Amino acid sequence: NAGVTQTPKFRILKIGQSMTLQCTQDMNHNYMYWYRQDPGMGLKLIYYSVGAGITDKGEVPNGYNVSRSTTEDFPLRLELAAPSQTSVYFCASSSAGGNQPQHFGDGTRLSIL
Amino acid sequence: RKEVEQDPGPFNVPEGATVAFNCTYSNSASQSFFWYRQDCRKEPKLLMSVYSSGNEDGRFTAQLNRASQYISLLIRDSKLSDSATYLCVVNMAPGNQFYFGTGTSLTVIP
Repeated sequence: NAGVTQTPKFRILKIGQSMTLQCTQDMNHNYMYWYRQDPGMGLKLIYYSVGAGITDKGEVPNGYNVSRSTTEDFPLRLELAAPSQTSVYFCASSSAGGNQPQHFGDGTRLSIL
Repeated sequence: RKEVEQDPGPFNVPEGATVAFNCTYSNSASQSFFWYRQDCRKEPKLLMSVYSSGNEDGRFTAQLNRASQYISLLIRDSKLSDSATYLCVVNMAPGNQFYFGTGTSLTVIP
């Protein structure tokens, strides 16, 4: 019963490097989300998707890109890593829109040095 | 003004105590409300949804006050295992974006 799976769990990047954070869900959920959580702060929405082929910006999209080619997968791309992107990244999914709770992956801890 | 605001605490209470958290939200058109708990260095997990008429799940009671734009969470008979950060989450119209409070830290002391 996997739910939402994120990889990798930890990563250290150098400034200017790029990487993709992977997220996949096996619950056939249409809605998927990417958040970042900085220490002592709430989660901030980066991007979200309401279905395959559709993505929208959240509160803090700058420096990130996403794609949604399948229902299951919602990767997050960092093109030019910056120290300000050091954070914990959570992927989530839900069966419908705002009136349904979200199921979270266990996060990716990313440090940019 | 932040979309969702919570008292960060920390709340330190003895086992068996009753504790209440409040959360205020800025958008009167907000549609859905939830409480999540988050353990240290873990992902948020749904504790309960908050319904207009209020709802209870065991020792946990959630209330919604639309007129004053706040939701509350009451925990009765606190257990050591209730120690966590409690996140208030609001879905704001329009669209499908969720806004998270910064969380309220609870420590239950033996």
